[in-house]
Amino acid sequence: KAGVTQTPRYLIKTRGQQVTLSCSPISGHRSVSWYQQTPGQGLQFLFEYFSETQRNKGNFPGRFSGRQFSNSRSEMNVSTLELGDSALYLCASSFSGGITGELFFGEGSRLTVL
Amino acid sequence: QKEVEQDPGPLSVPEGAIVSLNCTYSNSAFQYFMWYRQYSRKGPELLMYTYSSGNKEDGRFTAQVDKSSKYISLFIRDSQPSDSATYLCAMYRDDKIIFGKGTRLHILP
Repeated sequence: KAGVTQTPRYLIKTRGQQVTLSCSPISGHRSVSWYQQTPGQGLQFLFEYFSETQRNKGNFPGRFSGRQFSNSRSEMNVSTLELGDSALYLCASSFSGGITGELFFGEGSRLTVL
Repeated sequence: QKEVEQDPGPLSVPEGAIVSLNCTYSNSAFQYFMWYRQYSRKGPELLMYTYSSGNKEDGRFTAQVDKSSKYISLFIRDSQPSDSATYLCAMYRDDKIIFGKGTRLHILP
């Protein structure tokens, strides 16, 4: 069974640009969550999508957005990049999400903003 | 004060030792407690989970929860070099999973 796939794995952008990251969940999983991981703040929840609807959202500015497609694949977008957006962005899928949904993480997309 | 506090380490112990990793939390709404392990350049993977206070054992790993003290622990017995990783505690409340910052663990051969 294929795991969670994230693309691209590494990318470098400059301040003010925007970026789109992609996540393909495990087949059959309908919930996709996104997290930002930095050395200073650790793993922070961005948002969760379930059946194409945003079900939950963390405390990030509106520059961070996401969507989920009918095949459960998800994308997240960050507009007007800032230096502080440099981080590892992790996608996690689960069958149902919520309290019973074990999260399966991808290997992440490492974003560097110059 | 952050909702979940975890000492970032690094923690270095000799092979074969018992390792103790800990987290404290401030919100009584947390109802489900987990430990994830993250190897370098990989995403986290679920190690153990528990709902209730007390101990839960799985092989060399024991998860302990003390809700009255708002304190959770992960014990690793007979530690191996392959246990070297970052260990993140995680807790569930209000449809969100909140992670600790993680403790970097090095097992010295």
